Amino acid sequence: LAKTTQPISMDSYEGQEVNITCSHNNIATNDYITWYQQFPSQGPRFIIQGYKTKVTNEVASLFIPADRKSSTLSLPRVSLSDTAVYYCLVGDIYNFNKFYFGSGTKLNVKP
Amino acid sequence: DAGVIQSPRHEVTEMGQEVTLRCKPISGHDYLFWYRQTMMRGLELLIYFNNNVPIDDSGMPEDRFSAKMPNASFSTLKIQPSEPRDSAVYFCASTYGTAGNTIYFGEGSWLTVV
Repeated sequence: LAKTTQPISMDSYEGQEVNITCSHNNIATNDYITWYQQFPSQGPRFIIQGYKTKVTNEVASLFIPADRKSSTLSLPRVSLSDTAVYYCLVGDIYNFNKFYFGSGTKLNVKP
Repeated sequence: DAGVIQSPRHEVTEMGQEVTLRCKPISGHDYLFWYRQTMMRGLELLIYFNNNVPIDDSGMPEDRFSAKMPNASFSTLKIQPSEPRDSAVYFCASTYGTAGNTIYFGEGSWLTVV
């Protein structure tokens, strides 16, 4: 089981790029890296998923180095509405019982 | 699609009472999950179903908790008897295929046991 380590919290200002790094030293060959976002009083929402190198979608980018022992979620030009908790999950996509949410990173975007 | 629908959104009950939480997954999804979220323990997977069959219930805290999925469009999580330490937000989620696909969460059921 690949345990993940993320910063507990981060502060940023509107318009800045935010990078949240997740460490997963014990990642297994079949494990994928997935990030979810959770706003207060809501359920988590999928942001992005990747296996290696770089993945980009309309809201974020995910950078994964060759050794896959860490990953970085990049949010371009954050706004106040990006204030949320961001969870990094590492697990075998074919085994849901090994797909754990960690403690997450509380991102606070300031005006 | 309406997304994952949970009810009730909020419930306050007295210790010892039975609590039933309900979930309607997204149509066509073959996996359904029940999660519990607390400040102390974060998001915990309690149980999940595949094609209405419970696959892993190792996260269910104790025998007071039970979950059923009588058909593809409905699931319940029951707590009997309820205790104050059961106070939490309970999320239902669904997806199809593998965890490589997006897991869609409901808005949650906020349970307070007094």
